[in-house]
Amino acid sequence: QKEVEQNSGPLSVPEGAIASLNCTYSDRGSQSFFWYRQYSGKSPELIMSIYSNGDKEDGRFTAQLNKASQYVSLLIRDSQPSDSATYLCAVIASGTYKYIFGTGTRLKVLA
Amino acid sequence: NAGVTQTPKFQVLKTGQSMTLQCAQDMNHNSMYWYRQDPGMGLRLIYYSASEGTTDKGEVPNGYNVSRLNKREFSLRLESAAPSQTSVYFCASSELLVLEAFFGQGTRLTVV
Repeated sequence: QKEVEQNSGPLSVPEGAIASLNCTYSDRGSQSFFWYRQYSGKSPELIMSIYSNGDKEDGRFTAQLNKASQYVSLLIRDSQPSDSATYLCAVIASGTYKYIFGTGTRLKVLA
Repeated sequence: NAGVTQTPKFQVLKTGQSMTLQCAQDMNHNSMYWYRQDPGMGLRLIYYSASEGTTDKGEVPNGYNVSRLNKREFSLRLESAAPSQTSVYFCASSELLVLEAFFGQGTRLTVV
């Protein structure tokens, strides 16, 4: 079982819709979770971090964490074509500073 | 303020050659990381350094060595390059408490 799992996609949504991206992780002791966005040919850039159960909102982005289910999600409201990218979920393994990434979900926002 | 700087940006090696990828950060971060990214495989951790003077293996360390030269610099060495090491390599750094990672622009390495 991979430590961090994501559906590779592509996930296609129409412009203006809500995009929902999901991630599961295997290390029950993990406490730190992140979402990164990566445009083709570019380096990853941080969108959100979340450390506590529940929702965290930042502009059009909402991260959701459920530690009991070992599940992290990212919602993008009012999706724009410029949101088309690969979204990477990352988890820090418990007791370490080991930063583990999922394989990413490719999002396509259709104009 | 440059953030995380990697050199070189592109490199072509012949099988068996050696090279060192350089990474430097100016954000006073304690932790630094080396990843490789291959199509469909996501980012895979090669080695990381939680703080100056320490290094630890990640998911795919075989064929690589690292040196944490000082707090700013973390280098990745390929002693005898193999075609399987053709990849895009990313260096990243993070602060111990905040933990949000910042990435360099990547090095595209081809081994022929």
